[in-house]
Amino acid sequence: EVQLLESGGGLVQPGGSLRLSCAASGFTFSTYAMSWVRQAPGKGLQWVSAINSGGDGTYYADSVKGRFTISRDNSKNTLYLQMNSLGAEDTAVYYCAKKLRWYTAGDDWGQGTLVTVSP
Amino acid sequence: QTVVTQEPSFSVSPGGTVTLTCGLSSGSVSTTYYPSWYQQTPGQAPRTLIYNTNTRSSGVPDRFSGSILGNKAALTITGAQADDESDYYCVLYMGSGIWVFGGGTKLTVL
Repeated sequence: EVQLLESGGGLVQPGGSLRLSCAASGFTFSTYAMSWVRQAPGKGLQWVSAINSGGDGTYYADSVKGRFTISRDNSKNTLYLQMNSLGAEDTAVYYCAKKLRWYTAGDDWGQGTLVTVSP
Repeated sequence: QTVVTQEPSFSVSPGGTVTLTCGLSSGSVSTTYYPSWYQQTPGQAPRTLIYNTNTRSSGVPDRFSGSILGNKAALTITGAQADDESDYYCVLYMGSGIWVFGGGTKLTVL
């Protein structure tokens, strides 16, 4: 059974940093692309970032480009999202997702971790 | 700036059929955008329903179907049930490693 467990969310001040993790199990992590999708409170889903299976191809939404970095450690079956220069607009539940096919935003989803940016 | 459009809300009677659409602010949606559809209930993670326009994800009942209707992607639910009351999101692959979600449709079954 595919399991994706996000962690690392919490309260952070504007301008601060946070690193999210997504621990994967139940599948061969190193062979799948992964993504992060977020959802601000009461709002819709927003694609944030994607990474290919080897980790050498990374992609970002314009809203986070230059501030967020996606990475993965295939030896630890873990996906990361390093978030810097956080602002109130980054407050959201962040979901990690396994991509069965490159052209989907995600196919199997974690339960999410909440990031709150507030003074 | 690409905007993916969805109806903000829709209502369907139990047992009825409803079609939700997914369009572009500029241009037409085609299969080359690989439209996908997700269902989400409050407080829960998204659930993948449809990918690559019309392929159902594993375990999704066949009363959910995807298609291209005119210049939009479409999600049709036939024989709507009470537990279909959810938010539905489409997402389009814009190429070059970029995806854009629509704003979502809140479906009410009553």
